[in-house]
Amino acid sequence: NAGVTQTPKFRILKIGQSMTLQCTQDMNHNYMYWYRQDPGMGLKLIYYSVGAGITDKGEVPNGYNVSRSTTEDFPLRLELAAPSQTSVYFCASSSQGGLYNEQFFGPGTRLTVL
Amino acid sequence: EDKVVQSPLSLVVHEGDTVTLNCSYEVTNFRSLLWYKQEKKAPTFLFMLTSSGIEKKSGRLSSILDKKELFSILNITATQTGDSAIYLCAVHSSGTYKYIFGTGTRLKVLA
Repeated sequence: NAGVTQTPKFRILKIGQSMTLQCTQDMNHNYMYWYRQDPGMGLKLIYYSVGAGITDKGEVPNGYNVSRSTTEDFPLRLELAAPSQTSVYFCASSSQGGLYNEQFFGPGTRLTVL
Repeated sequence: EDKVVQSPLSLVVHEGDTVTLNCSYEVTNFRSLLWYKQEKKAPTFLFMLTSSGIEKKSGRLSSILDKKELFSILNITATQTGDSAIYLCAVHSSGTYKYIFGTGTRLKVLA
């Protein structure tokens, strides 16, 4: 049981390049989330999903896209990278059911856009 | 607009001290409040609080929720250098399935 895994761990992009951050969970959670964390700040929600085929915007969705074709995977796409997207990106999942609804976090992807 | 505010933003103490971290919130459709500890990597879960006045305890850490005054505190007694981290508070809003995070409190414990 690996929990939430993210790839890559680190990435440097040039302005205007695109990339996909991968996120996979093996806990059969319906709910998945993408956050970004800037230095010295808390977590800001980019997008979330309540199940396969259903996604919705969070606080800071501009410049990102997501898809959720399976329960396990929730990739985050950056189409035209900008320096403002330099951040650490965390994927999380939760069951949202019953009494326990904590989020489980992946190890994060540190992205630098130059 | 939903918001979660943590205080203080940062704190430096010496080993053995007791610290109290604060989290206040204004969130519609409150479901639960969660505390996380973040060291160098991903946040790790500490507590989830849903009911007022019931203390959750784990070793030297404890937390309590006041749903009337809309705040929670996280206490750490006999602090150790290993407690140095960012402590994040998040509130789960059942209406939107979102977790709203505060900016965190950065705690540094000096030997």
